Amino acid sequence: EAGVTQFPSHSVIEKGQTVTLRCDPISGHDNLYWYRRVMGKEIKFLLHFVKESKQDESGMPNNRFLAERTGGTYSTLKVQPAELEDSGVYFCASSPDRWSYTFGSGTRLTIV
Amino acid sequence: EDKVVQSPLSLVVHEGDTVTLNCSYEVTNFRSLLWYKQEKKAPTFLFMLTSSGIEKKSGRLSSILDKKELSSILNITATQTGDSAIYLCAVHGSGNTGKLIFGQGTTLQVKP
Repeated sequence: EAGVTQFPSHSVIEKGQTVTLRCDPISGHDNLYWYRRVMGKEIKFLLHFVKESKQDESGMPNNRFLAERTGGTYSTLKVQPAELEDSGVYFCASSPDRWSYTFGSGTRLTIV
Repeated sequence: EDKVVQSPLSLVVHEGDTVTLNCSYEVTNFRSLLWYKQEKKAPTFLFMLTSSGIEKKSGRLSSILDKKELSSILNITATQTGDSAIYLCAVHGSGNTGKLIFGQGTTLQVKP
């Protein structure tokens, strides 16, 4: 079974630019989650999709972040415009049942 | 607010030592506590502890949930250099979305 795939693995962009992160969940997993770890802090929840619907987006930091999951398959997380405090590692996870997760390897995002 | 606290934040031991990692939590409507190991990439699942499964063991790793003290420990016996990693504790947050609340993690370094 293929795992959760995220790309790019690393991204370095300038402040004010736009970046789009992608997550391909395990096939058949309706639940898809985005998390973020900023330097020195714990991993924090961003949002949860069930199929293509946003179930909980309470962790999204502000309206510069836009997540989509068209067709209930892969998901994208766009940051526009990027700010320095957006730097961190963005993890995606998928689950068939909301309780057992498989995480992706993460995208390390650096804003300079 | 749901909260997970891990201790210590970092630990250095020598091969063959036994280590105990701690996790305490405050969460409304506790469902389960999870331990993950994170090396360079994706957090990988170790154990899930619930009210009906408070003790788990796999090889040299074991974990216990103390429902009264709202805490858990992760024990690693006869440590090896390959055990060097960040160990993450997480609990499922309030509600039914499967959202995870993470602790800061414990960075374990095992020296030869």
